[in-house]
Amino acid sequence: QKEVEQDPGPLSVPEGAIVSLNCTYSNSAFQYFMWYRQYSRKGPELLMYTYSSGNKEDGRFTAQVDKSSKYISLFIRDSQPSDSATYLCAIPEYGNKLVFGAGTILRVKS
Amino acid sequence: KAGVTQTPRYLIKTRGQQVTLSCSPISGHRSVSWYQQTPGQGLQFLFEYFSETQRNKGNFPGRFSGRQFSNSRSEMNVSTLELGDSALYLCASSLGAAQNIQYFGAGTRLSVL
Repeated sequence: QKEVEQDPGPLSVPEGAIVSLNCTYSNSAFQYFMWYRQYSRKGPELLMYTYSSGNKEDGRFTAQVDKSSKYISLFIRDSQPSDSATYLCAIPEYGNKLVFGAGTILRVKS
Repeated sequence: KAGVTQTPRYLIKTRGQQVTLSCSPISGHRSVSWYQQTPGQGLQFLFEYFSETQRNKGNFPGRFSGRQFSNSRSEMNVSTLELGDSALYLCASSLGAAQNIQYFGAGTRLSVL
């Protein structure tokens, strides 16, 4: 079993839809959770960084953590074609070592 | 402020050769981490350098090595290249403390023929 599981998609939605991206993890000791976005031919860029259970909102993006279920989510409201990218969940395992999910490919159709 | 710079962007090598990739971190960042990204395995941690010392290491063979210089710039070397080493190699820099935000470069695309 991988430490971090993520459905690779692809996920295709119409413009304006609410998108839900999810990851599960196996190690209950994990405390910090991140979402990165990666456009084609680019490196990953950090979208959201959360520590505790609950929700964190930043503009159209909301990160949700449920430590009891070991489940993290990223919601995108009013999705735009410019949101088309690969979304990666990432968890610091120890120090600066990040463990990544497989990444979900998102396509927002105009 | 300039971001993380990786050179070269693209590289083609043949089996058995060796290759060196370079990473210049964001000014003031002392930690540099390297990751390999492939369609099959996703993003996997190679190693991290902090103040010229390897601080963490992933599960890669000894053919993969790295170093960091006093100005925090880092190089990664792969010896005796194999076809399976074809990948996007990403470098990330951070201030250095655990759980610091890591900023990624655009990567070096290595193709092994």
